[in-house]
Amino acid sequence: AQSVTQLDSQVPVFEEAPVELRCNYSSSVSVYLFWYVQYPNQGLQLLLKYLSGSTLVESINGFEAEFNKSQTSFHLRKPSVHISDTAEYFCAVSDTDKLIFGTGTRLQVFP
Amino acid sequence: NAGVMQNPRHLVRRRGQEARLRCSPMKGHSHVYWYRQLPEEGLKFMVYLQKENIIDESGMPKERFSAEFPKEGPSILRIQQVVRGDSAAYFCASSPPTGRSTEAFFGQGTRLTVV
Repeated sequence: AQSVTQLDSQVPVFEEAPVELRCNYSSSVSVYLFWYVQYPNQGLQLLLKYLSGSTLVESINGFEAEFNKSQTSFHLRKPSVHISDTAEYFCAVSDTDKLIFGTGTRLQVFP
Repeated sequence: NAGVMQNPRHLVRRRGQEARLRCSPMKGHSHVYWYRQLPEEGLKFMVYLQKENIIDESGMPKERFSAEFPKEGPSILRIQQVVRGDSAAYFCASSPPTGRSTEAFFGQGTRLTVV
């Protein structure tokens, strides 16, 4: 069965600093990978996804993630964070007809 | 084009009561997924339905939980005789007729509190 590991439950960072949220998955077959963001008391919004092609995928608000097959990783990065990026971030892998989520990383951006 | 609509947003039930959670998929979407998010945890898959058919219910608890997606109307997740451990956020996602989770969009969730 597929699984997703997000090693960091919380990541505190100062505004304008770079950040990396780590995600590792277990799969022996081709995978689709996702990052979702959840703001307080809100639903999940898709941030970016990897389906095929270029291993580097970008979102419209400056986040990027790189699919690394050899390391089975899909880490999320942003070179300079804003206060408004404070949220919970979930990594997920597609398992046929459903998504398998990690336990989430709470990104806290301080001024 | 409205997104996935869930209601109510917040639901409070006493132990032993029934909880009914509704999900209206996006226009043109015929597949619905239900996920549960327990406090401080990620989302866990519960059930996958298309109109009048349950495709995958491998994540549903064996008792008290049921789901349906009728030909007309929203998908319903029903929890009978709720217990404190059912307190969680329940999210619905929908996808187009291809049914692939790669194209799923999530609703705002229903936060169930059992008192």
